[in-house]
Amino acid sequence: GAVVSQHPSRVICKSGTSVKIECRSLDFQATTMFWYRQFPKKSLMLMATSNEGSKATYEQGVEKDKFLINHASLTLSTLTVTSAHPEDSSFYICSASESGRSYEQYFGPGTRLTVT
Amino acid sequence: QKEVEQNSGPLSVPEGAIASLNCTYSDRVSQSFFWYRQYSGKSPELIMSIYSNGDKEDGRFTAQLNKASQYVSLLIRDSQPSDSATYLCAVRKAAGNKLTFGGGTRVLVKP
Repeated sequence: GAVVSQHPSRVICKSGTSVKIECRSLDFQATTMFWYRQFPKKSLMLMATSNEGSKATYEQGVEKDKFLINHASLTLSTLTVTSAHPEDSSFYICSASESGRSYEQYFGPGTRLTVT
Repeated sequence: QKEVEQNSGPLSVPEGAIASLNCTYSDRVSQSFFWYRQYSGKSPELIMSIYSNGDKEDGRFTAQLNKASQYVSLLIRDSQPSDSATYLCAVRKAAGNKLTFGGGTRVLVKP
């Protein structure tokens, strides 16, 4: 149980384009999903928290207009990196939390984004 | 002071020995504590959660929590080369369900 998928696993895009990353909870309903980014040899940095059916809550310093998050259903959240630049290249990881599971977060496999 | 602190390592452990990892946190109202394992290039995997003072055992892993001293530790018994990874400590405060992660401890188990 508690399986989270992400798609795509790896994406290369040109500077100025937008990229959408999907995060799905496969065997449970995720009332809350989280989006993180991780630079090489660094820890996870929380970007935003999204609750199904409501606007995402962004962490300080994260541009909400650049990183668009949608959590339209209890099993799907998407992160769109708009007008990507090389400095947006990173490992993006989502996690999902099911209500009543003691706030445990289960991570997706991550998406490695490279902006050229 | 960082909210969640871990020694970055690497912690080098011979195969079969016990690996001992420590984590301290600054917010006394923290309620839930988690240990994640992350292999290089992969996403974190939850291995232990602990919510009350004392020890919690799961297979070769034991988590220990001491809220008075604000630390949580992880013991890995009979360490195997496959345990070589970065171990992340995560803490949830009382309000909300966000996790704050430590910087991670890299563990190397040598055959």
